[in-house]
Amino acid sequence: GENVEQHPSTLSVQEGDSAVIKCTYSDSASNYFPWYKQELGKRPQLIIDIRSNVGEKKDQRIAVTLNKTAKHFSLHITETQPEDSAVYFCAARAGNMLTFGGGTRLMVKP
Amino acid sequence: GAGVSQSPSNKVTEKGKDVELRCDPISGHTALYWYRQSLGQGLEFLIYFQGNSAPDKSGLPSDRFSAERTGGSVSTLTIQRTQQEDSAVYLCASSRSFAGSEAFFGQGTRLTVV
Repeated sequence: GENVEQHPSTLSVQEGDSAVIKCTYSDSASNYFPWYKQELGKRPQLIIDIRSNVGEKKDQRIAVTLNKTAKHFSLHITETQPEDSAVYFCAARAGNMLTFGGGTRLMVKP
Repeated sequence: GAGVSQSPSNKVTEKGKDVELRCDPISGHTALYWYRQSLGQGLEFLIYFQGNSAPDKSGLPSDRFSAERTGGSVSTLTIQRTQQEDSAVYLCASSRSFAGSEAFFGQGTRLTVV
């Protein structure tokens, strides 16, 4: 089955700096890669996703890049703000099976 | 309902008792997933249902765990003879069946085994 690795497990940045979270996946059949944000005590919510026919997608301060050849994808957050502090999960979908990475705890220091 | 609904929100049970956790997916969503999240940890896959197909049970940690989905809608996760290590938040998610369909999570059930 699919295996998704996520790094780093924790990330601390200064407000205004950029943050990058990286994921790798194993199943070449995976064709959909969502990113979820989970604030403390809340459910994970989708923040951005990318499909395998696209190399990059941007939505305001967040962007995701995908390298299908290398089987890795990354989340980029620019101009970080304290409210970006949360746990971020990447995921990969092959067929309908959705497999998550281990999560990254992002802390944005004011 | 507008979203994925889980009940109960919180459950405290004594070690050795059985518990049932319920998930009501979004109407029309044929895919349903159960995950477990221990405090400060990631999302551990438990089981996946897709329409009328046989579920993928590969993530269930032991034979004390089982799940069913009746009529392709509501799902129940059952834990028999609960142990303290079963304490966690159990999250359910549902999505449509086509590729690229967003998975929506319920608010979770926080299970505490004492």
